[in-house]
This record gives sequence, structure tokens and C-alpha cells, in this order.
Amino acid sequence: GAGVSQSPSNKVTEKGKDVELRCDPISGHTALYWYRQSLGQGLEFLIYFQGNSAPDKSGLPSDRFSAERTGGSVSTLTIQRTQQEDSAVYLCASSLTTYEQYFGPGTRLTVT
Amino acid sequence: AQKVTQAQTEISVVEKEDVTLDCVYETRDTTYYLFWYKQPPSGELVFLIRRNSFDEQNEISGRYSWNFQKSTSSFNFTITASQVVDSAVYFCALSEERDTGRRALTFGSGTRLQVQP
Repeated sequence: GAGVSQSPSNKVTEKGKDVELRCDPISGHTALYWYRQSLGQGLEFLIYFQGNSAPDKSGLPSDRFSAERTGGSVSTLTIQRTQQEDSAVYLCASSLTTYEQYFGPGTRLTVT
Repeated sequence: AQKVTQAQTEISVVEKEDVTLDCVYETRDTTYYLFWYKQPPSGELVFLIRRNSFDEQNEISGRYSWNFQKSTSSFNFTITASQVVDSAVYFCALSEERDTGRRALTFGSGTRLQVQP
């Protein structure tokens, strides 16, 4: 079946602009996670959605970051007023049982 | 706080050699889960294995085997008769239970494995 998909695969933006990153999880997976992978910080958790419950935003690095998940499926991660330190690969993962997480190919964000 | 340490930054071996990737973890929880993921040059993280904290049985899957020892808080990964296609970055990860049901992964820094032909 189809895996986790993310778009765009690459995004180059100017400092100060807003960006939206999209994640389409595996059909039927109720849990969705966003992670960030950067050279300096490695892989770090950002936000978690489970069904219709309120998201766990404890990993978001600043209030410029937000995410939503519509209809319990597609999720959008929004970064406002991007900074150069936001440059990273943003990874989305989904899970059926909240055990094994299956990752998408990521969105490489470059802030110039 | 939970922590995962992969002390080996990079390992280079020649094809057909056996190689072990080390993983040491820290957690205060009694229930937790350990994982290994592979990240090939294409970039996508590929799930390899999950172990529960209450199951210390070692596991073998083809050329891959995992040694889980709670006494030393280690979850090591061995590739037998390595192949060039095994070249990748390997991440060890830990997740704990949270009230929200969240089991976000805490990753180690990864070990880059290069298998030379």
C-alpha cells in the first residue's frame, strides 16, 4: 500500500517568509508525528497528533511553528517568519498502534 | 529524561565482515520501547525492529540480529556478512509512555556504516 507522502520534497524560501509543509499519512493510521533532522540537532520530535485529541506540541521550538491535522488525516506544518536556523529536513511519521512509526521521505527546507 | 547514545559516529568495513552497532539508552520508565531505523542515502527512514522493555529475547532476522540487555541498558545491532547495500546511517531510538498516549521517538545521533566492496 501507499506509504507516508510529504510535499514539497524541497523548499527554498527567503528569511522572513512563511512556509507550509504537508504530510499525507498511511491510510488508517491514527497517530501522526512531525520530526526535524538537522546537522546540529540530529533528529528531534516536534508535534504529535492522535485521533481527535488535542495535539502534543511539547517539541515545537518556538511559537513560529504550528501544525494542524484535518479530518484526522492530512497534516500541515507551518513555519512563520522563517529563520536560517529553521533549515532542516522535516520528517513526518504515522503509526497505527503508536508503536512502530513509518516515515515519509521528508521535506528539505532551505532558508536563504 | 530519556537519552540514547550511539558512540560510534562512523564505521567502515569490508564486504562480508560482521559489524556491531552499539546503542546505550537511559530512561526512568519501566515500560519503554527500543527501535532501530536505517537511513540509506535516499534519506527515508526505514523501520527495522521494535523491542519492548519486558522482552529481553534476542532476535535474528536474516543477516540482522539484535542483542537487548537491560542490565547494561544496551540494544546492540549486528549485521553478519555485511553487504554494500547495508551502507547507511543507522539510528537507535527509544520511546516512553506518556499520558497523552504519545510515544515520540528519542533518537541517538546515528552511526554511519560504510561497507566497501
